[in-house]
Amino acid sequence: DAGVIQSPRHEVTEMGQEVTLRCKPISGHDYLFWYRQTMMRGLELLIYFNNNVPIDDSGMPEDRFSAKMPNASFSTLKIQPSEPRDSAVYFCASSLIGGTATEAFFGQGTRLTVV
Amino acid sequence: TQLLEQSPQFLSIQEGENLTVYCNSSSVFSSLQWYRQEPGEGPVLLVTVVTGGEVKKLKRLTFQFGDARKDSSLHITAAQPGDTGLYLCAGVPNTGNQFYFGTGTSLTVIP
Repeated sequence: DAGVIQSPRHEVTEMGQEVTLRCKPISGHDYLFWYRQTMMRGLELLIYFNNNVPIDDSGMPEDRFSAKMPNASFSTLKIQPSEPRDSAVYFCASSLIGGTATEAFFGQGTRLTVV
Repeated sequence: TQLLEQSPQFLSIQEGENLTVYCNSSSVFSSLQWYRQEPGEGPVLLVTVVTGGEVKKLKRLTFQFGDARKDSSLHITAAQPGDTGLYLCAGVPNTGNQFYFGTGTSLTVIP
């Protein structure tokens, strides 16, 4: 398996533009997580899905952020409109949760810069 | 709200020295993991502990889960430059199935 695949790896956009980040989880994993990592706040959980259904989006910073998972092999995180304070590395992770099999597998992340 | 606090936040040591990183919470977790993250990459799992008081060893790394399943420690013996990286603890709470990550410890081992 190729692991969790995220695209793009880097994104530079102007303030006010829409940004869409993409994620392909590991086949067979039933949990998908979106995280944001910054020096100041560390790794923050934004939202997670179980079997394509959003379970907890309490970490989404505001209404400008939205996430979807239309099927088991694809998820998007959208920011509209983007702001400079959204600049961060965004990670997608997938997992099978239960007992000793509990592990989050991460993609390589998308480094977002909003200017 | 940060459920898991790690200390120290930054650590710079000489090759061959020993170190301990701590992960503390007021919450109980069903399991706890330690991950290592290198620049430009996502975190990668090192170990999972699930039983209070459990100790696991991975070569020069020793991981311990607190008796009450609220805290954990990572001890590295004879650190090497290849140990350099960001160490993150992560907990899965008793209720819910998400991973909460700690604040992270950035380790630099100087040759």
